[in-house]
Amino acid sequence: DAGVIQSPRHEVTEMGQEVTLRCKPISGHDYLFWYRQTMMRGLELLIYFNNNVPIDDSGMPEDRFSAKMPNASFSTLKIQPSEPRDSAVYFCASSPRLAPNEQFFGPGTRLTVL
Amino acid sequence: DAKTTQPPSMDCAEGRAANLPCNHSTISGNEYVYWYRQIHSQGPQYIIHGLKNNETNEMASLIITEDRKSSTLILPHATLRDTAVYYCIADAGNNRKLIWGLGTSLAVNP
Repeated sequence: DAGVIQSPRHEVTEMGQEVTLRCKPISGHDYLFWYRQTMMRGLELLIYFNNNVPIDDSGMPEDRFSAKMPNASFSTLKIQPSEPRDSAVYFCASSPRLAPNEQFFGPGTRLTVL
Repeated sequence: DAKTTQPPSMDCAEGRAANLPCNHSTISGNEYVYWYRQIHSQGPQYIIHGLKNNETNEMASLIITEDRKSSTLILPHATLRDTAVYYCIADAGNNRKLIWGLGTSLAVNP
């Protein structure tokens, strides 16, 4: 298996633009997680899905952020409109169970909002 | 979930053992101690976890004190590739909201 795949790896956009980050989880994994990492706040969970259904989105910072999982092999995290404070590395992770030792992370998307 | 505290940075000579401490004085009886590491520009990677017994795998050893208020991750023969940020997390194993903290930045020097 290729592991968790994220695209793009780097994204530079201007304030106010829409940004869409993509994730392909490991096949057979029922859980998918979106994280954001910044120098100041570290790694924070934004939302997670179980069998394509959002379970907990309490970490989503505000209404500008939305996440979807239309099928078991694809998820998106959208920011609209983007702001400079959204600049961060966004990680997607998947796991077969809700067990911390079984989470596999993707390489991340580095987002820069100018 | 218990909060963990780690030193922000540490150095280690290549080939020597790296001992990374973690304090979790408020850990609950059902919470495990998990260790992850994050190499630059990559996602975090699971290393090891334990409840109260010491654990060892191909990557590292985990020593947990008898009162479970602290633990130490041991990399027995550190290599340059072990340079990374190491995270210690206390979690009951079923809580998706892992509290990651800022970890310890380990620099392995030649």
